[in-house]
Amino acid sequence: NAGVTQTPKFQVLKTGQSMTLQCAQDMNHEYMSWYRQDPGMGLRLIHYSVGAGITDQGEVPNGYNVSRSTTEDFPLRLLSAAPSQTSVYFCASSYSWLAGGPGNEQFFGPGTRLTVL
Amino acid sequence: DAKTTQPTSMDCAEGRAANLPCNHSTISGNEYVYWYRQIHSQGPQYIIHGLKNNETNEMASLIITEDRKSSTLILPHATLRDTAVYYCIVRGLGSNYKLTFGKGTLLTVNP
Repeated sequence: NAGVTQTPKFQVLKTGQSMTLQCAQDMNHEYMSWYRQDPGMGLRLIHYSVGAGITDQGEVPNGYNVSRSTTEDFPLRLLSAAPSQTSVYFCASSYSWLAGGPGNEQFFGPGTRLTVL
Repeated sequence: DAKTTQPTSMDCAEGRAANLPCNHSTISGNEYVYWYRQIHSQGPQYIIHGLKNNETNEMASLIITEDRKSSTLILPHATLRDTAVYYCIVRGLGSNYKLTFGKGTLLTVNP
């Protein structure tokens, strides 16, 4: 298994540009999520999905869109990039989203390092 | 979710046990204690979780006090590759959909 993969690894955008961060998993996990990590602030949840066709907002959803057309893929779209979106983005997946339940441990991808100028 | 308190940093000698404490004095009965770690520039990695009993897996042991107000993650024989930020997270039914990462403890394993 490749686990959770993310592309690209690095990206530089200009303010106002749009782009899509890709995330894929090959573990047949129902739950997938996107986090951003900023220095000194820990990881914050952007959006999550509990299955194909179902998405919901996390703590910091503004400026981002997601969709989940397949179990495997969960792309994150930046609509109009801003310097405040400079961050490291992590995608995660797990079999279950139920706290404490079997298969609830989350697997994280290697991250995408995004700089918005 | 209950808040957690961890030391900012700790040192450990290679080959020795690393004991990482976490305080979660406001934890409720149905909340679990999770531990993740993040090696520099990599995505977080799940280590272990528990409710009230001590737990052990191939990576670590988790000791939860009887009153559940604190816990200790034990890496029995720390190696240089265990140098990372370790996050203690309390997670219950109210946070099924997310992990709330604090600032964690930077564990440095020294040769």
